[in-house]
Amino acid sequence: ETGVTQTPRHLVMGMTNKKSLKCEQHLGHNAMYWYKQSAKKPLELMFVYSLEERVENNSVPSRFSPECPNSSHLFLHLHTLQPEDSALYLCASSLEWDRGQPQHFGDGTRLSIL
Amino acid sequence: AQTVTQSQPEMSVQEAETVTLSCTYDTSESNYYLFWYKQPPSRQMILVIRQEAYKQQNATENRFSVTFQKAAKSFSLKISDSQLGDTAMYFCAFMIGGYQKVTFGTGTKLQVIP
Repeated sequence: ETGVTQTPRHLVMGMTNKKSLKCEQHLGHNAMYWYKQSAKKPLELMFVYSLEERVENNSVPSRFSPECPNSSHLFLHLHTLQPEDSALYLCASSLEWDRGQPQHFGDGTRLSIL
Repeated sequence: AQTVTQSQPEMSVQEAETVTLSCTYDTSESNYYLFWYKQPPSRQMILVIRQEAYKQQNATENRFSVTFQKAAKSFSLKISDSQLGDTAMYFCAFMIGGYQKVTFGTGTKLQVIP
C-alpha cells in the first residue's frame, strides 16, 4: 500500500533544530490530516485540511506549523520542539472530510527529540 | 465530548480460533460512524471495518464482523479463524457525521499464537 507516503521514516533532532515532515497522497483525496501517536495514548488529531484549507486545529502548540500547498501534499514544520514531542507522527487522507469516510494512513515518521 | 473506551489493553488467541475485541463509546449525537483500524508492527494503520450508526445491520468484511448495539453504545469486533497476520494493535474509532474529527480509543494489542 503506497497510497500515502511519509518522509522521513525516522527523525532525530535537537530542541533548537528546524525540520519538516512531508506527506504525499496518490489517492485523489481532498482531505489530509496530521496525527500524533504516543505510547498508551489515543491518537491525537492535530490538523485537518480540506482542499488546501485548514478546517481543524486542535489547540496544537505553535512550534508545529502545517502547510498544505495542494491537495496531494502536506507538511508539518517543526521548530524548537520539546522532549514530550517525541512520538510517531501519522499522516492520513480521505476522499472528503465531512462524510464519515475512512482515512488512509501513511507509515508515519518516528520523531525523537534530544 | 465524545469518548471511546477499549477496556482490553492486550489479548491473545490461538491460530484458527475466534476472538472478540470490545469497544464502548459515549455520545449524544445520533448521526455518526464507527471504525475499527488495525496497526501491524510494520506501523501502517489500515481500515478493517466501518459501520454507519443509522444502519441496524452489523457490518462484515470476510473474517471480520462487528456487533453494533446502539442503545448500549457498544461496537465489538469479532475476528474468526484468526491468522498470524492478524497480530496487531486494533483501534476503535468514532466520527460524528458532518464533522471530520475522529476520536480513537487507546487500542487493544492482539497476539495470534501459532
